[in-house]
Amino acid sequence: ELKVEQNPLFLSMQEGKNYTIYCNYSTTSDRLYWYRQDPGKSLESLFVLLSNGAVKQEGRLMASLDTKARLSTLHITAAVHDLSATYFCAVDKGPNFGNEKLTFGTGTRLTIIP
Amino acid sequence: NAGVMQNPRHLVRRRGQEARLRCSPMKGHSHVYWYRQLPEEGLKFMVYLQKENIIDESGMPKERFSAEFPKEGPSILRIQQVVRGDSAAYFCASSPSNRGRGEKLFFGSGTQLSVL
Repeated sequence: ELKVEQNPLFLSMQEGKNYTIYCNYSTTSDRLYWYRQDPGKSLESLFVLLSNGAVKQEGRLMASLDTKARLSTLHITAAVHDLSATYFCAVDKGPNFGNEKLTFGTGTRLTIIP
Repeated sequence: NAGVMQNPRHLVRRRGQEARLRCSPMKGHSHVYWYRQLPEEGLKFMVYLQKENIIDESGMPKERFSAEFPKEGPSILRIQQVVRGDSAAYFCASSPSNRGRGEKLFFGSGTQLSVL
């Protein structure tokens, strides 16, 4: 069974600081996703990572994937208040494995303190 | 292009009643997924459907829950004889027929089910 773990679960950080959220998964998977969720809202897709060594950046967020270590990171640079949200990573095994359902991590609730 | 549409946004039911949650996928999308999110938790997969077919229902409770995606009309998640433990946010997501290139799943705004 595919398991996805995130840490930390809760993160408070000051504006302007850098930090990293980690996502570990238990079995070989094709694809890794990062989503953002604001309270009471739906999930907003941030990144899709498809291959070992993939790195994607959007604004102050950068995501990377190491398939050998089964680890993805979401790095936040010079945090601003607008980034406060819950961040989820999710993994699926892709159509090549005949399994396209996403398995989500527990989420990291990020609070940026002015 | 409208996104994934879910209704109702909020649904209140008393114990023992039935709940019907609707999901219209994005235009051109033929794959639908339902997820459940309990408070302070991540999303848990329930069921994956294509038009008129259930592909994977490994996350569906064995009793009281059913899902369909007919040839015409929205996908429906049906919960019979609801209990308080069914209270959660239910999210629908859709994708194109071919996700081999890693297309994203697009999520609807969810239905918050409250069972009194």
